[in-house]
Amino acid sequence: QVQLVESGGGLVKPGGSLRLSCAASGFTFSDHYMTWIRQAPGRGLEWISYIGPSGTGTVYADSVKGRFTVSRDNAKNSLYLQMDSLRAEDTAVYYCTRNPRLADYWGQGTLVCVSS
Amino acid sequence: DVVMTQSPLSLPVTLGQPASISCRSSQGLVYSDGNTYLNWFQQRPGQSPRRLIYKVSNRDSGVPDRFSGSGSGTDFTLKISRVEAEDVGIYYCMQGTHWPFTFGPGTKVDL
Repeated sequence: QVQLVESGGGLVKPGGSLRLSCAASGFTFSDHYMTWIRQAPGRGLEWISYIGPSGTGTVYADSVKGRFTVSRDNAKNSLYLQMDSLRAEDTAVYYCTRNPRLADYWGQGTLVCVSS
Repeated sequence: DVVMTQSPLSLPVTLGQPASISCRSSQGLVYSDGNTYLNWFQQRPGQSPRRLIYKVSNRDSGVPDRFSGSGSGTDFTLKISRVEAEDVGIYYCMQGTHWPFTFGPGTKVDL
């Protein structure tokens, strides 16, 4: 069965960096677009980024453009999100999902807290 | 950005009774491939979202048939024919046609 498991979240100071990972299993990872979506505490859902199957074709929301970088390693069935210059408003649960237009599978999420 | 609005934002329900959630988009959602990428998600308390309906009216595997989706253009609806206790949670519509893809604000369904 399809599984997506995020890791790497934690507490970081404003201006700091964090790298999230998503381990995928149960499907041919290299065939699929992958995405990151976040949910601030008590808030709705916000698209962050997606990446094409080969690692090209990355797209970002304006709120993170220039600060976040999405990448993948198909040999390791893994998706990554490098987050730099973090701000308080980046505090959220970050979800890894498959297929941007359809978001058919979601991970359990990893919490990122940006606070001094 | 395409704005997704939902109504109501809070929906008290009665077990065994029907329920309906409306979702409207600020632009039409037909993509160049002919598909309408309007999806519905359920988020139970403490859980990650789970997709229920994709491309307007297609129910996901394992989703009870009491859930149905309909609509076209800019107006869409999620219906629950007979509410059960496990249906409590927040329901989101989402458009995957125009980047950035966007979600509605959510409808809280509670007993």
